[in-house]
Amino acid sequence: GAGVSQSPSNKVTEKGKDVELRCDPISGHTALYWYRQRLGQGLEFLIYFQGNSAPDKSGLPSDRFSAERTGESVSTLTIQRTQQEDSAVYLCASSGVRNSPLHFGNGTRLTVT
Amino acid sequence: GEDVEQSLFLSVREGDSSVINCTYTDSSSTYLYWYKQEPGAGLQLLTYIFSNMDMKQDQRLTVLLNKKDKHLSLRIADTQTGDSAIYFCAEALRDYKLSFGAGTTVTVRA
Repeated sequence: GAGVSQSPSNKVTEKGKDVELRCDPISGHTALYWYRQRLGQGLEFLIYFQGNSAPDKSGLPSDRFSAERTGESVSTLTIQRTQQEDSAVYLCASSGVRNSPLHFGNGTRLTVT
Repeated sequence: GEDVEQSLFLSVREGDSSVINCTYTDSSSTYLYWYKQEPGAGLQLLTYIFSNMDMKQDQRLTVLLNKKDKHLSLRIADTQTGDSAIYFCAEALRDYKLSFGAGTTVTVRA
């Protein structure tokens, strides 16, 4: 595709429900990242996938958060039993060869009521 | 705390130059980036500089890197209203993970 695509663009959910966020990276990009952006703050690293290597999950804030990626394509970020503090914009990015810049999607704005 | 620090706000008059400053902490960073975020949108890569460079110019954008002081700046010449956005500085850690600053909100006034 032309860019990184994320869906849904907006998600409102009730506290305690599970949500699943989707990211379609740029075709051919082997690296995929998830970041979280709270209102008025910078980006917080969540997880990184590189090809078939084990993902770097060091940024996941709790065991309620998990992510999967199928090969070098789509990734899903799942948040179980959502809490109000999970409200944020979740950004996905992908990159090609090592050290190449990250290309970001427009994010999913998650609101937990 | 943040590894990358930026001032939070900058107000500039249309037509003037904007300078956004950033400090980082990891001396082994290979690349440093500037991203722009407009309301409701993701981050758009503006420019980046490799750590062995001192300066990079790209049209209205000039990036200066002082590796000794771990200081990075972005100068936007002839600032326009379309330049109003949040600008993020980021450093590449261990060749893949980026550490971002909190962002500088630039407001261009007529």
